[in-house]
Amino acid sequence: KAGVTQTPRYLIKTRGQQVTLSCSPISGHRSVSWYQQTPGQGLQFLFEYFSETQRNKGNFPGRFSGRQFSNSRSEMNVSTLELGDSALYLCASSTDYWRSYNEQFFGPGTRLTVL
Amino acid sequence: AQKITQTQPGMFVQEKEAVTLDCTYDTSDQSYGLFWYKQPSSGEMIFLIYQGSYDEQNATEGRYSLNFQKARKSANLVISASQLGDSAMYFCAMREGWGGATNKLIFGTGTLLAVQP
Repeated sequence: KAGVTQTPRYLIKTRGQQVTLSCSPISGHRSVSWYQQTPGQGLQFLFEYFSETQRNKGNFPGRFSGRQFSNSRSEMNVSTLELGDSALYLCASSTDYWRSYNEQFFGPGTRLTVL
Repeated sequence: AQKITQTQPGMFVQEKEAVTLDCTYDTSDQSYGLFWYKQPSSGEMIFLIYQGSYDEQNATEGRYSLNFQKARKSANLVISASQLGDSAMYFCAMREGWGGATNKLIFGTGTLLAVQP
């Protein structure tokens, strides 16, 4: 069974541009979560989607948005990039969200550098 | 609010020795789940072990065990017989909103483990 895939793996953008990151969950998983990891702030939750609906959102500005498609693939978009958006963006998939124990499988991440 | 604290920024251990990575947590919930993840330099988060708040026994997964002390709100990871491949960043995490509300994880700041030959 293929794991979580994220594309692209590396990305270099300049300030003011926008970027779209993609995440394909494990086959059969319908829940996708996104996290931002930076040296200063650590791992921070961005969003969570299930069956194309955003279930939860972290404390990030409106420049950060996301969506999930009917095949459970998810994208996140960052508009008007700032230097501080440079980070490793991790996607995690799981089967659902309602079970008490629900392991989340992470992808390799997309490393975004904003110049 | 829920919080995870990892007080060891970095640790060294000799190959084949055991090492304990500390994790304390703060929550007002009665039901919760605690996770440990390993993050090698490649960046991917690898699930290691899970402990539910109502689990009576400490969780074990191969060389990994979790020393769960509920009254002290600690969930320390013990790695037995360390290997060079164990060198990585280790994160303790708690699932927020127990009871099916969300999969959101709250992470600690991590401990960088270096295994020396």
